[in-house]
Order: sequence, then C-alpha cells, then structure tokens
Amino acid sequence: RKEVEQDPGPFNVPEGATVAFNCTYSNSASQSFFWYRQDCRKEPKLLMSVYSSGNEDGRFTAQLNRASQYISLLIRDSKLSDSATYLCVVPNAGNNRKLIWGLGTSLAVNP
Amino acid sequence: DAGVTQSPTHLIKTRGQQVTLRCSPKSGHDTVSWYQQALGQGPQFIFQYYEEEERQRGNFPDRFSGHQFPNYSSELNVNALLLGDSALYLCATGLGPGNTIYFGEGSWLTVV
Repeated sequence: RKEVEQDPGPFNVPEGATVAFNCTYSNSASQSFFWYRQDCRKEPKLLMSVYSSGNEDGRFTAQLNRASQYISLLIRDSKLSDSATYLCVVPNAGNNRKLIWGLGTSLAVNP
Repeated sequence: DAGVTQSPTHLIKTRGQQVTLRCSPKSGHDTVSWYQQALGQGPQFIFQYYEEEERQRGNFPDRFSGHQFPNYSSELNVNALLLGDSALYLCATGLGPGNTIYFGEGSWLTVV
C-alpha cells in the first residue's frame, strides 16, 4: 500500500456543485494531516490542517477517519477559481515529521 | 512580513553544470526543507536543515547538497546537472523540524 494515495481524477464539475476527494494513508501513527492546493506551475499553498476529527473553513470541510485511515476534502458551491490540483499530505510520525505527499487530485470547475 | 522567498525564479543550465538555489525563510522560521517537483508529480523530499545541519535526507544522490546559514536561510546545490534534474525546486520553512509546511514560490530549473 502506498504511504499516501489519492484518486488522480480529473474531476470535472459544474459551478455550484459539491465535490469530495479522498486520501488514504498507510501509517496508523500519523497524527496530523494537510490539504494543499496547487495551481498549474505554482507552489503548493496550504489549504487546511487537520489535527482531530475534522476542520471547516467556509466552503471547505476536511474530515478524518482514523479507523479507516483516510482523510476527505469536501468543497461546496464550487467556483471556477477552485480549479486546481489538491494534494493530500501526511507527515511521518515521529520527530522528523517529513511530509509525505499524495500525487494530487485534479479538479476542473466548468461554467 | 515577508513569506518564504526563493531565488532565482527561473533558470536554464547546461548538462554537467552546477546550480545554486536560495531560500529565505518566513520570519520566525528556523527550519528549511527542500523539495523537487517534476511536472505532474507531487513534491519529492530532498533534505531538511535545522540548526545549520542536515537533519534528514530523501532518496537523492550526493550531487544534491545544501547549507543553512546562521540567519536560517538556505542554499541547495546540484552538481553535474542531468536533464532529469529539470523540475520545480521548492523550499518549505517552519519553526522546528516537524513544521516545514509553508512554501516559497519555487525555482524553475531547466537543464538542456
């Protein structure tokens, strides 16, 4: 099993739709998780951090299921500007906490 | 308050040459991690610097080396460049080794 695995997509959705991405991780000792957004040829930007069961920020909700070892990202009322690649990141457990990256899920929101 | 800054933003080098990329951490950050991101891939961890020492390293050859200065800024050096080294090089910084989660805009390296 890969350390961090995401559905690559692409997800094509109309404006206003709700879309959800899943990310599975292999290290059950992982304690914190991140979702990053990356636009084409730009750096990853931190979107949300998840330290407990979940986090919500406006239209974005991240949920953590430790028993099944997955994190989800839900985007409600999609905007054209949400089109990007969404990367799931899981720090290594332990002191070094090296970031382990998924390959990303591509989202295209269409008018 | 400046965020993470990297330089240069773009550069082109020839196979066999050497390159140095630079990173200045966000104010208050003391740890720097470097990543390589090829097109269509997630970032791959190169190494991390904390207290001016390399603390951990990913699966990159010795051609990739680095340095951290007393002001916490860092350099990534790549020797004997190969075509496959063409990528976006990202610097991430944070306070403490476990928290390098804020990225600079990256340096695009093209090797021809």
